[in-house]
Amino acid sequence: QKEVEQNSGPLSVPEGAIASLNCTYSDRGSQSFFWYRQYSGKSPELIMFIYSNGDKEDGRFTAQLNKASQYVSLLIRDSQPSDSATYLCAVNNRGGSQGNLIFGKGTKLSVKP
Amino acid sequence: DADVTQTPRNRITKTGKRIMLECSQTKGHDRMYWYRQDPGLGLRLIYYSFDVKDINKGEISDGYSVSRQAQAKFSLSLESAIPNQTALYFCATSRQGGDGNEQFFGPGTRLTVL
Repeated sequence: QKEVEQNSGPLSVPEGAIASLNCTYSDRGSQSFFWYRQYSGKSPELIMFIYSNGDKEDGRFTAQLNKASQYVSLLIRDSQPSDSATYLCAVNNRGGSQGNLIFGKGTKLSVKP
Repeated sequence: DADVTQTPRNRITKTGKRIMLECSQTKGHDRMYWYRQDPGLGLRLIYYSFDVKDINKGEISDGYSVSRQAQAKFSLSLESAIPNQTALYFCATSRQGGDGNEQFFGPGTRLTVL
């Protein structure tokens, strides 16, 4: 059973701090990794994707991938109250259903003013 | 206009009723998906379709059926709704060979089965 694990939180950080969200995955052959943000009652929206080991930066967001450790993280710098949401980690499924994503259950982030 | 639309957005029904949830997309994607989301359980894949002639069961297909009427349309049916099918349902799309299978989600349908 391929799994994606996330700490459910809630993770609480003060405004302006760095929020660090973590995700581990079981399928060593996974190639693509995604971070989605989901506000309560809304649909998931893609924030970032990463394929290669190392860091990928986009504005206040940095995704970090370590395939050897099967670990992917999302850093949010200068956190804002509007960043308060649930963050979903997703990993592509390299089995017979290539094209599918396996989602973690999400980490709830709360940014306090 | 939204690229992925779902109808209805909210639905309350009774046990045993047949329900159809519809999804349409204008993104030109060939792949479409149906998920349900329950508190604490995350997103779970119900069915997926890689093209009009390709339908596949996902993790939790029992009690559901789907129809891919066209490249742009993918419907989910509950033949005889039961209370534990109360959930938030999302349709998603992706294109073949896209950025590692990035998926785009519709706004969701909140279904309540009494």
